[in-house]
Amino acid sequence: DVVMTQSPLSLSVTLGQPASISCRSSQSLVYSDGNTYLNWFQQRPGQSPRRLIYQVSNRDSGVPDRFSGSESGTDFTLKISRVEAEDVGVYYCMQATHWPYAFGQGTKLEIK
Amino acid sequence: QVQLVQSGAEVRKPGATVKVSCKASGYTFTDYAIHWVRQAPGQRPEWMGWVNAGNGDTRYAPKFHRATIYTVTSASTAYLELRDLTLEDTAVFYCARTRNGSYWGQGTLVTVSS
Repeated sequence: DVVMTQSPLSLSVTLGQPASISCRSSQSLVYSDGNTYLNWFQQRPGQSPRRLIYQVSNRDSGVPDRFSGSESGTDFTLKISRVEAEDVGVYYCMQATHWPYAFGQGTKLEIK
Repeated sequence: QVQLVQSGAEVRKPGATVKVSCKASGYTFTDYAIHWVRQAPGQRPEWMGWVNAGNGDTRYAPKFHRATIYTVTSASTAYLELRDLTLEDTAVFYCARTRNGSYWGQGTLVTVSS
């Protein structure tokens, strides 16, 4: 099975400052159709996961443009350009290329 | 608007079976798969499996061989049955539609306790 490894596991950020979360997959996430099915989810306390980014860098509808995703081989990054109070929660990377799909361990974002 | 509404919390004893429902609205039910995800307290979500609501095809993660996922298309509802429950199955179970947007149910807490 594909293993997704995130870092850091926790992040304390001052409001208005940037934040970055890394995710590494144990194997290539390029599917046979040429697409890379790497997603980023946000989970606020007590809520269902919410997908922010799909296929590495595409924002879902309604997601603020301060969220962005990028890749370098099997390394993926979620960046928040300016953290806001509503961004508090746990962030997960998740691969949907290989079955079974798998999440990273999660990164807890808090405000400093 | 697309909505997935799940059934309420359940309590079961070890060895029992639980069934969770997920009623879809706001789209043509048979055009999309429904996925099920388990999240134990304080843990990362785990993808359990999915059902193609158009033809009933299913796929399960090997870890969840105790699960059965199916649909009743006339009711636009998907179901997850999990048998031989253990204490480790205490979790929130989510249904989700993940194509052309990402839509998740509100989650159903299943508590397994003796």
